[in-house]
Amino acid sequence: DTGVSQDPRHKITKRGQNVTFRCDPISEHNRLYWYRQTLGQGPEFLTYFQNEAQLEKSRLLSDRFSAERPKGSFSTLEIQRTEQGDSAMYLCASSTPGLAGGRTDTQYFGPGTRLTVL
Amino acid sequence: GQQLNQSPQSMFIQEGEDVSMNCTSSSIFNTWLWYKQDPGEGPVLLIALYKAGELTSNGRLTAQFGITRKDSFLNISASIPSDVGIYFCAGQLFFGLGRRQKLVFGQGTRLTINP
Repeated sequence: DTGVSQDPRHKITKRGQNVTFRCDPISEHNRLYWYRQTLGQGPEFLTYFQNEAQLEKSRLLSDRFSAERPKGSFSTLEIQRTEQGDSAMYLCASSTPGLAGGRTDTQYFGPGTRLTVL
Repeated sequence: GQQLNQSPQSMFIQEGEDVSMNCTSSSIFNTWLWYKQDPGEGPVLLIALYKAGELTSNGRLTAQFGITRKDSFLNISASIPSDVGIYFCAGQLFFGLGRRQKLVFGQGTRLTINP
């Protein structure tokens, strides 16, 4: 399978604990994105990497959230001191810059990590 | 910020019927994308539209990028049970010298099919 993979698929934690999620993008994709999706809503953008550089962060990404992509391949998203409001599906997507001629890079999503904070 | 209004929020149809859903925005987007999401899974790309006015098909699915670049629709013909799920539109913006991009999603259309 050469798609985007995420680990774990499910995480249940107690309020106040730290959690870390991993995303492995499609191998030739140099762009990686994290999204958060709550029930009944579309995904909301959190942050974006091009190679190892974190180029964009949403206001949704509070100080308790940190994302890294140290070697420009896989990425981790850590949430410190989790709160019940952090319960959501965390989605990762990857893309590669489009070809010349107007076709622009398209994001492909992983299966997500569902976080439940008790 | 940019927002997409997707409608309808839900649809209950009979198997074999055609389906139509759309997204509108007050903002202009460079690209429109349509995704389908099954419960507990990530969104799966159905169709990508890159130019205003573009009409693209993928099997029984047809989508169009509005001329104003502020809207898009998705049609599904002759629906079958496996079409059940949530459909999301997404508008893609590019900005900056490094072509940073941003994807904004609609609220989704939940499709239920009665056999």
